[in-house]
Amino acid sequence: GESVGLHLPTLSVQEGDNSIINCAYSNSASDYFIWYKQESGKGPQFIIDIRSNMDKRQGQRVTVLLNKTVKHLSLQIAATQPGDSAVYFCAEAYNQGGKLIFGQGTELSVKP
Amino acid sequence: GAVVSQHPSRVICKSGTSVKIECRSLDFQATTMFWYRQFPKQSLMLMATSNEGSKATYEQGVEKDKFLINHASLTLSTLTVTSAHPEDSSFYICSATTGGSYQPQHFGDGTRLSIL
Repeated sequence: GESVGLHLPTLSVQEGDNSIINCAYSNSASDYFIWYKQESGKGPQFIIDIRSNMDKRQGQRVTVLLNKTVKHLSLQIAATQPGDSAVYFCAEAYNQGGKLIFGQGTELSVKP
Repeated sequence: GAVVSQHPSRVICKSGTSVKIECRSLDFQATTMFWYRQFPKQSLMLMATSNEGSKATYEQGVEKDKFLINHASLTLSTLTVTSAHPEDSSFYICSATTGGSYQPQHFGDGTRLSIL
């Protein structure tokens, strides 16, 4: 089902540091996972995705790690910049895509 | 690539008005589009899934007669909030996907709906 929360978890980091955002997903049958970044007043922006047959995938400054044993997903952002400040959502899907189930989101705040 | 345009970005109208929101995929053909609702500081809540040329599939608790969805072409889906009331005020976001395996959804920038 949908994830609904009253308070967004927050993560505050210093500019230049690495950030790690964590997500626990709900469905052991999920086979596709996506991280999105949402800036204030905008729609979610695709960052990186990973299939369930992988444990790790790297992009530009970002790495996603998948641990299916404990149903855990993480997003690592290297050398975090003020422009990275946003809310980050993980999303899971099964049957290779289609309908997404979103996590509750984490608000990342980068201090200059 | 994979640009989704949503219009209008903001609507303010009186209670009882019907409001139409458009979602367009600009550079790809979207076999499937999704409509979400988002409250402040909360996650996205899926309202319905729309496939081109067929009736939308609504999530449990979403009134289909209240939220009319049309997906008449591979690049356009519309959401009409009929007889809107203040409790319908929210941030509505659409997304689109080509429908292939392991294809992410690409999102529009949302529509802020305020019903007075």
